[in-house]
Amino acid sequence: DSGVTQTPKHLITATGQRVTLRCSPRSGDLSVYWYQQSLDQGLQFLIQYYNGEERAKGNILERFSAQQFPDLHSELNLSSLELGDSALYFCASSPPNRDRGGSYEQYFGPGTRLTVT
Amino acid sequence: AQSVTQLDSQVPVFEEAPVELRCNYSSSVSVYLFWYVQYPNQGLQLLLKYLSGSTLVESINGFEAEFNKSQTSFHLRKPSVHISDTAEYFCAVSEGAAGNKLTFGGGTRVLVKP
Repeated sequence: DSGVTQTPKHLITATGQRVTLRCSPRSGDLSVYWYQQSLDQGLQFLIQYYNGEERAKGNILERFSAQQFPDLHSELNLSSLELGDSALYFCASSPPNRDRGGSYEQYFGPGTRLTVT
Repeated sequence: AQSVTQLDSQVPVFEEAPVELRCNYSSSVSVYLFWYVQYPNQGLQLLLKYLSGSTLVESINGFEAEFNKSQTSFHLRKPSVHISDTAEYFCAVSEGAAGNKLTFGGGTRVLVKP
């Protein structure tokens, strides 16, 4: 158990809908990262937050957004869902490093499996 | 931009035999390297990391990896595998710049046969 929690574990929804995925980082970690794992694209970085502020952005679609709250949990919002958004979404956290926006190693949660029908 | 190539998508191996998973990376700056393992229906677990210092790094369960800067490689090895090592293994690189994002290879699925 990495200490990173994600809810829900599974999510099944229809095209065009909107969903919210939730992540709680390990105690003391300030950075949260979101990744998408799909069969055709592999593991891809989406976005990172550090202590409530967006720190880096990757291949995140405009239909997707995220935020990190004062209690450091994070939510990933996916809207206007398409079949191709079906994937495993991972959240990771890393220990604080003010200068670098997080330490090097990242600890992953169990993931949320999203199925869009 | 950094990239990671795992040369083998699947590696079948017999129990107690050695295994090597190959990883090559491309980056124009200094990198930090990681191996993660994903067991069936689970998340990613950090197996080992190279940040600095000795180029040979070891995990608690018998895996080791060697950072080779000239060959831009970070191959993972285990001298004797167990059935429980059946999993998918991902090599990842971070350039260490602000943001710390991990770039992953495509993964290598290890199937240990009795």
